[in-house]
Amino acid sequence: GAVVSQHPSWVICKSGTSVKIECRSLDFQATTMFWYRQFPKQSLMLMATSNEGSKATYEQGVEKDKFLINHASLTLSTLTVTSAHPEDSSFYICSARSWAPTQIEAFFGQGTRLTVV
Amino acid sequence: QQQVKQSPQSLIVQKGGISIINCAYENTAFDYFPWYQQFPGKGPALLIAIRPDVSEKKEGRFTISFNKSAKQFSLHIMDSQPGDSATYFCPSSEGSGAGSYQLTFGKGTKLSVIP
Repeated sequence: GAVVSQHPSWVICKSGTSVKIECRSLDFQATTMFWYRQFPKQSLMLMATSNEGSKATYEQGVEKDKFLINHASLTLSTLTVTSAHPEDSSFYICSARSWAPTQIEAFFGQGTRLTVV
Repeated sequence: QQQVKQSPQSLIVQKGGISIINCAYENTAFDYFPWYQQFPGKGPALLIAIRPDVSEKKEGRFTISFNKSAKQFSLHIMDSQPGDSATYFCPSSEGSGAGSYQLTFGKGTKLSVIP
């Protein structure tokens, strides 16, 4: 399958600081990328959908000013957690789909473990 | 509201046995049924997927059986191995057009394969 790379794999930051997570599609161009959050032993919750060159669409209850998403190219999307607090500690996972109409599979990155202290 | 209901929530299978995970859906507009496997601390990996125009798809030890009339599909893992121990998801997938399919995940099934 296609490869989606997420960086960093884990990050520890101080409360009040911002953290940027990158998501890259390595061998395909992704028109759409998705950002999920997963708490321990729970399912993946969709946070937002981003399309290249346009504003992200956030799910209900997700603060768009806190979770800034940028999808500047067909291979890169970034999620910035601004003014992070301990309750933002979670596992963040991105997913990407190819632009090709016949390719509907979604491929996931390896995830980023964020710990806010 | 859960769009795909998955069962069981947890499953323990002996090595060499068959693991069976079931999913049921209501929305007949769904036209793509993927299964994902997630190991602890990792992102989900696409395992196998099926379209409703076929009743079965097999890839190695993994088989999807699809019953369109019953709106159910299942994942069978033959000759289960301890390395198959993971959480399995059958997310609902809806959308249209290139790149717009959105996955909604349920609680998944935690599979433990014991030696």
